[in-house]
Amino acid sequence: GAGVSQSPSNKVTEKGKDVELRCDPISGHTALYWYRQSLGQGLEFLIYFQGNSAPDKSGLPSDRFSAERTGGSVSTLTIQRTQQEDSAVYLCASSRTGQGHGYTFGSGTRLTVV
Amino acid sequence: AQSVTQPDIHITVSEGASLELRCNYSYGATPYLFWYVQSPGQGLQLLLKYFSGDTLVQGIKGFEAEFKRSQSSFNLRKPSVHWSDAAEYFCAVGFISSGSARQLTFGSGTQLTVLP
Repeated sequence: GAGVSQSPSNKVTEKGKDVELRCDPISGHTALYWYRQSLGQGLEFLIYFQGNSAPDKSGLPSDRFSAERTGGSVSTLTIQRTQQEDSAVYLCASSRTGQGHGYTFGSGTRLTVV
Repeated sequence: AQSVTQPDIHITVSEGASLELRCNYSYGATPYLFWYVQSPGQGLQLLLKYFSGDTLVQGIKGFEAEFKRSQSSFNLRKPSVHWSDAAEYFCAVGFISSGSARQLTFGSGTQLTVLP
C-alpha cells in the first residue's frame, strides 16, 4: 500500500482480555518495527522484524506481549491479559533495508484498558 | 548503549519567529540522525535525516538541521515558524551493529506551541 496501515485505530478493552493489533507495512519494506507511546512519553521500542524473523525482541515489556509477522508483510502484536498500564498508542513503522533509510510510521492504535 | 536527549520539553514561539530545537546524543561512533514531527492524533512524519557528508541537512516544510560532531548535537532549525508547525518533535538516533540494522532510539520529544 501507499503507507503503513494500522488497525484498529482505537481499541477499548476490559482488563484481563487479550487484544490483537495489526500493522500492514509499505509493500517491499523488509523491516518492521513496533513502538509504544504512553501519554507524555517518548517512543518505547518493542520489537523489530527483518522479514519474518525478529532479531531483536528486547523491548517487549513482559511475556504477555508477543508479535509475529507472516509472508514478510503483515504483523500482529498481541497483548494477553491486558493491564491498565498497557494503555498507550502503539505505533508501527516500516523501512526498506532497516532503519538506515528512516522509518515510515502508521497512525497508530490507541489502546485503552478499562 | 546509545541515548538521545531533548532538553526542552515545551517551547513557545510567536508566528514568524525563528526556531531551534535541541538534540544531543550519546554514541561512540557517528550514528544516523533523524528528526520526526507528530501532529495530534497522527503518526510520526520524517522531517530530515543525516547519514554522512554535508553536516547541514535540508528537510521538508522549510526545516534544516546541523550535525555537530564535537558537540554530539543535531539541532533542528527553522527561520520563520508558521502556525501549522505546532506539533511535537522527536529526535532519533540509529546505528548499524554487526552489519545489520537496529532500531532507532528516540528522544522524549519537544512540544512546540506557536502563538499568533
